[in-house]
Amino acid sequence: GNSVTQMEGPVTLSEEAFLTINCTYTATGYPSLFWYVQYPGEGLQLLLKATKADDKGSNKGFEATYRKETTSFHLEKGSVQVSDSAVYFCALRTKAAGNKLTFGGGTRVLVKP
Amino acid sequence: ETGVTQSPTHLIKTRGQQVTLRCSSQSGHNTVSWYQQALGQGPQFIFQYYREEENGRGNFPPRFSGLQFPNYSSELNVNALELDDSALYLCASSASTGDKNEKLFFGSGTQLSVL
Repeated sequence: GNSVTQMEGPVTLSEEAFLTINCTYTATGYPSLFWYVQYPGEGLQLLLKATKADDKGSNKGFEATYRKETTSFHLEKGSVQVSDSAVYFCALRTKAAGNKLTFGGGTRVLVKP
Repeated sequence: ETGVTQSPTHLIKTRGQQVTLRCSSQSGHNTVSWYQQALGQGPQFIFQYYREEENGRGNFPPRFSGLQFPNYSSELNVNALELDDSALYLCASSASTGDKNEKLFFGSGTQLSVL
């Protein structure tokens, strides 16, 4: 079956620091990969996605590259802001699994001024 | 603002009771899926409805059931509530089920507490 493993948090950073959140996956079939963000008291928002190997998804300064050889989709941002404090979820979908989203456990990020 | 609205936002029930959660899809979307997010965990897929029929289900017992209406709004029903059912329940809508790249739009969720 499909599964996603991401680094546990919390991750505490100072403003303007570099952020990396590791994500690896196992999948039956050829997955599409996603990063979602959840701000306090809110639902999930799609942050970025990649649909095939070597694709790079990017949005709001965040980037992630679909690495098929290492089954990874690590999230990075070069200079975080206090407003980036949230919980980040790595996820995947495969047609074989009916296009349902399979999520990792989430990584809480806290950015201090 | 995703256009997906859920009600109520918070709910408190006791063990053994039944609960109904509601979701209004984004306009033009015919597919709704429900997820359970326990505290400190990632969301888990419960089931999906496409044009009023269930067309996918996760590893949840039959006491979790759903409906989708002709206007594509949806309900999640949980019978015989257990303490472990306490979670944030998220609804997501999309325009189709056939494409793994189709964007899902999530509501803000219903926080259910079972005492």
